[in-house]
Amino acid sequence: NFMLTQPHSVSESPGKTVTLSCTRNGGSIASNYVQWYQLRPGSSPVTVIYEDNQRPSGVPDRFSGSIDSSSNSASLTISGLKTEDEADYYCQSYDNNNQVFGGGTRLTVL
Amino acid sequence: EVQLLESGGGLAQPGGSLRLSCAASGFNFWSYGLHWVRQAPGRGLEYVASISTIEDTTYYGDSVKGRFTISRDDSKNTVYLQMGSLRAEDMGVYYCAREREPYVRGGPFHWGRGTLVTVSA
Repeated sequence: NFMLTQPHSVSESPGKTVTLSCTRNGGSIASNYVQWYQLRPGSSPVTVIYEDNQRPSGVPDRFSGSIDSSSNSASLTISGLKTEDEADYYCQSYDNNNQVFGGGTRLTVL
Repeated sequence: EVQLLESGGGLAQPGGSLRLSCAASGFNFWSYGLHWVRQAPGRGLEYVASISTIEDTTYYGDSVKGRFTISRDDSKNTVYLQMGSLRAEDMGVYYCAREREPYVRGGPFHWGRGTLVTVSA
C-alpha cells in the first residue's frame, strides 16, 4: 500500500495562482495516474484533472495538473483564482489492489 | 448523459446492515468499472470498494474489508454495496462513481449525488 499526503490548508487571493501538492509515500508517483477532485460543501465531487494532467470538458483551463518524479509528487495549479474555486481538493491514485485518496487540501480564496 | 443515482441510505444500528444501490443510465453499464467512495462528517474522501468488468473482480478499502460486499447486476444497470457489522465510523455520505473509460481501471471520474448513512442506536 501507499499513501498520498496533502497540506491541510492553503489560502490565496483572488486573481493569484496557487499550487496544491500531493506527495506519494511508497512507490513512484509515475507508476499510476493521478486524479484531482474538487469538493464543495453540499455538492458531489467533481473531477478537475485526470491522468495526471488531462482536463475534463467543462473544467476551465485555469486548472492544470502535473507530476514531478524528483519529488515523487503531483500538483494541481489553479491560476486566476476566483472565489468559486474555494473548496476542498483531493488527489487520488491507485495500484493493483487499492484506490488511495489524499487527505485533502482546503483552499480558501480571500 | 451519465447519471448515477444512489439510494438505500438511512439509519442503521451499530452491528446492523444496510444495502446501498446505485442505478446508472446514459452509458453501457456492463463495460465500466464502478466505485463506492464515502465521506464521514468533517472528514475527507475515503475509498470503500470497486468492481471491475473483468470477471467482476472486487477490491475493498482496509476499513471495510470483510464487512462490506460490492456487486453489480448488469441486467439492471445497478451496482450495490451490502454493508454489514456497521460501526459509528461508517457514517457518512456514500458516493457511487464510474471510471472514465470502459474496460480500464483508473479511478472515479463521474460521480453520483450520494446517499447518507447514519449509524446510531
